[in-house]
Amino acid sequence: GAVVSQHPSWVICKSGTSVKIECRSLDFQATTMFWYRQFPKQSLMLMATSNEGSKATYEQGVEKDKFLINHASLTLSTLTVTSAHPEDSSFYICSASRLAGEWTQYFGPGTRLTVL
Amino acid sequence: AQTVTQSQPEMSVQEAETVTLSCTYDTSESDYYLFWYKQPPSRQMILVIRQEAYKQQNATENRFSVNFQKAAKSFSLKISDSQLGDAAMYFCAYRLQGGSEKLVFGKGTKLTVNP
Repeated sequence: GAVVSQHPSWVICKSGTSVKIECRSLDFQATTMFWYRQFPKQSLMLMATSNEGSKATYEQGVEKDKFLINHASLTLSTLTVTSAHPEDSSFYICSASRLAGEWTQYFGPGTRLTVL
Repeated sequence: AQTVTQSQPEMSVQEAETVTLSCTYDTSESDYYLFWYKQPPSRQMILVIRQEAYKQQNATENRFSVNFQKAAKSFSLKISDSQLGDAAMYFCAYRLQGGSEKLVFGKGTKLTVNP
């Protein structure tokens, strides 16, 4: 149990376009979902925390208008990178915490975004 | 603010041998959780082991065990009988009990397993 999926796993887009990444908890309801960004050979950097039905909480320095997060249900959160630029190219990872008292985060497989 | 430090950027071990990865953290809280995650080349983050701070007994999961020293704020991971599939980046992480569920990660240790 505790499987988290992400779609797409890899996306290439042109500069100026928007890209949406989906994160789904497949076999549990997620109280909270998290979005991370990871640069090559570095650790995970938390971008934002989202709870179902409420606005996401962004970490300091993360542009909320560029990285739109929607947590539509207890099993789905989306990250939209708006007006993407080459510097937004990165590996984006989501994670989810289970509803019923579980205090562990389970991670999706990640999405590699390349902006040309 | 809580911080997590992994002082070993890289480690190597011979197959079937034992290796210990270090992790220290800084917090003024008494109730928290600690984790070790593994990130193989596929980049999928995999939970290896977790520890609740109030538990004195060290967590174990098959070949993986921790040495949790709360007073010293140390949380090392021991991998016994190392296998080629253990080669990965290992991240130590801290989470406060209650309140924000945010994880604070260390910078990671790259483990190489030599045949």
